[in-house]
This record gives sequence, structure tokens and C-alpha cells, in this order.
Amino acid sequence: DVKVTQSSRYLVKRTGEKVFLECVQDMDHENMFWYRQDPGLGLRLIYFSYDVKMKEKGDIPEGYSVSREKKERFSLILESASTNQTSMYLCASSFSDRPSYNEQFFGPGTRLTVL
Amino acid sequence: GDSVTQMEGPVTLSEEAFLTINCTYTATGYPSLFWYVQYPGEGLQLLLKATKADDKGSNKGFEATYRKETTSFHLEKGSVQVSDSAVYFCALTPWGYQLIWGAGTKLIIKP
Repeated sequence: DVKVTQSSRYLVKRTGEKVFLECVQDMDHENMFWYRQDPGLGLRLIYFSYDVKMKEKGDIPEGYSVSREKKERFSLILESASTNQTSMYLCASSFSDRPSYNEQFFGPGTRLTVL
Repeated sequence: GDSVTQMEGPVTLSEEAFLTINCTYTATGYPSLFWYVQYPGEGLQLLLKATKADDKGSNKGFEATYRKETTSFHLEKGSVQVSDSAVYFCALTPWGYQLIWGAGTKLIIKP
């Protein structure tokens, strides 16, 4: 069974802290994504990666960075957490860039609260 | 730019009612269209997809038809169950890696 796992389901951090969210997939997918999900706004893409050490900015990259040192792992970093980064963070991966096969597989999400 | 518009929720229905969740899109070219579902406390999972005009995607009793003339991909189910309560997202992929997402529609089914 295909799987995307995220390091934490719930996380509480203080303003100014550096926060690491980890995502691991076991499907040998080339593409990995980080989204944030907020009520009424749907999913917004933060960053994505189409290969090891490659990254591309999504729609809302400000305040975030990413790291992909190994194919199966994609990390999201909040350099200095702020209260407006309180949200649900979803990681996803996909196998191919051909639209017909572009199903994304999602992890369970990390609900981050910044106090 | 490309976009997806879904009907606002929540949508509240009684068990065994007929369901329609509207989705319309704006895109150049020939995108693929998707419906994803998010059950409470879980990540999203693909419900169904269609890759070209007039294709019908179906899964778990849900159906959606890719209508290029009306730029729509409405989700339907003939008889909903309490277990269908979830948030439903319409999405399209115009090119390459990314998906363009609708805002999501929360569905509540009452017994």
C-alpha cells in the first residue's frame, strides 16, 4: 500500500522558533509538494520539488524554505515561525508529470499552532 | 490564469438523498480534472478523475463527467450515506506537476 507519512500530526510552537516538518514517501515518486490548508481557501502550494536537490516556489513561499536531500524525503522549514503560519500542512507526492497520471498521494497532515 | 470554482458549503443532506456538488473551471488547453475527498482527520485522497472531454470518472458510487462545452465537472451520487460526510475538492492539472485547486465543499450527511 502506497504511503506518505508526516513526522507529526499536531505541533505547537512559539513565535520565532525554527520549525521543521518532515515528509517521507515510499513510492519512489519524483515529485513532492508542500501545501497549507486553511478554511475557505482550499489548498495553497508552498513549494514543490521534481527531483533531489531541486525545488520550485509555489504560490505562497514567503516565510518558508524546503530541503530535499534524498528522493523519499521532503522537509518544510519555517525559519522563524509566526502566528499567521498557524495552519494545516499537507505533504503530497506524485510519480509523473504527465497530466493523465498526475494523481497526488497525500500524507495525513500536520496541524501546526504557533503561539 | 487557470482556476477552479466550487459551490460553497456546507452542503447538508439526509441519508439516501441525491448529491450534486458543482465545479466549473477556467483553463487553456486540455486539462485533466479530478475530485479529491478529505475525510475528517485525514489527508486528501483521489476520488475520481477524467482526462479528456466527455470522459466520465466514477468511484464508490460517485460520478463526474468532463463537459468541455460548459467547462464543468460536477460531482454526483445517487444515494448518499453518513460515511460520505467529508470535504470534497475539485482540481485540474493544466500542465506538468501542479494541480489547481478549488476551495473545497464540506458535505454533511444526517441519518
